[in-house]
Amino acid sequence: DAMVIQNPRYQVTQFGKPVTLSCSQTLNHNVMYWYQQKSSQAPKLLFHYYDKDFNNEADTPDNFQSRRPNTSFCFLDIRSPGLGDAAMYLCATSRAARMNAEAFFGQGTRLTVV
Amino acid sequence: SQKIEQNSEALNIQEGKTATLTCNYTNYSPAYLQWYRQDPGRGPVFLLLIRENEKEKRKERLKVTFDTTLKQSLFHITASQPADSATYLCALLIYNQGGKLIFGQGTELSVKP
Repeated sequence: DAMVIQNPRYQVTQFGKPVTLSCSQTLNHNVMYWYQQKSSQAPKLLFHYYDKDFNNEADTPDNFQSRRPNTSFCFLDIRSPGLGDAAMYLCATSRAARMNAEAFFGQGTRLTVV
Repeated sequence: SQKIEQNSEALNIQEGKTATLTCNYTNYSPAYLQWYRQDPGRGPVFLLLIRENEKEKRKERLKVTFDTTLKQSLFHITASQPADSATYLCALLIYNQGGKLIFGQGTELSVKP
């Protein structure tokens, strides 16, 4: 049974047209992460939530926003996608209250910008 | 800021041999290093975690070591199989920053029959 679910698996959007990617979890974990991964590169942390506390990475462009309305759901909003935003977007969760917290990833959303 | 680096060159080995991958980190202590496997087009899957005060951790054919002097972790796969072919990522869990988790760029392993 899938525990971290990302929708959609594939998303095509037009240059400059706002797009939202979604992530849901059934693990009741208090930490949720969003990563951007381009081909042959490291997953790049965009931001993460510890419960409702939002942690933005210093180099995450303002074009990327996030919402976490409740424990189970988290959204990534790209306000004006550019060609350089085409990538795999990964959502992950962990129970970071434990020192040995492992992260559970969804299958990712492959974003194409045309 | 914290940095984590892996050898970006692909590693090609023969089936049955031991694969050894390297991960180096800077500017953080205490550290909790994690290792993940990622197959093409899929999300990473957790394999092992090692704390800075642990020298070694094992799980089946996997072994992780930690050298705090070098700030380096080594990841070994013994008796490697073609099914072990994947990209292996190390990650640094920064516990006192709300569970922040940052990744190295990964090392692609190819095991030939």
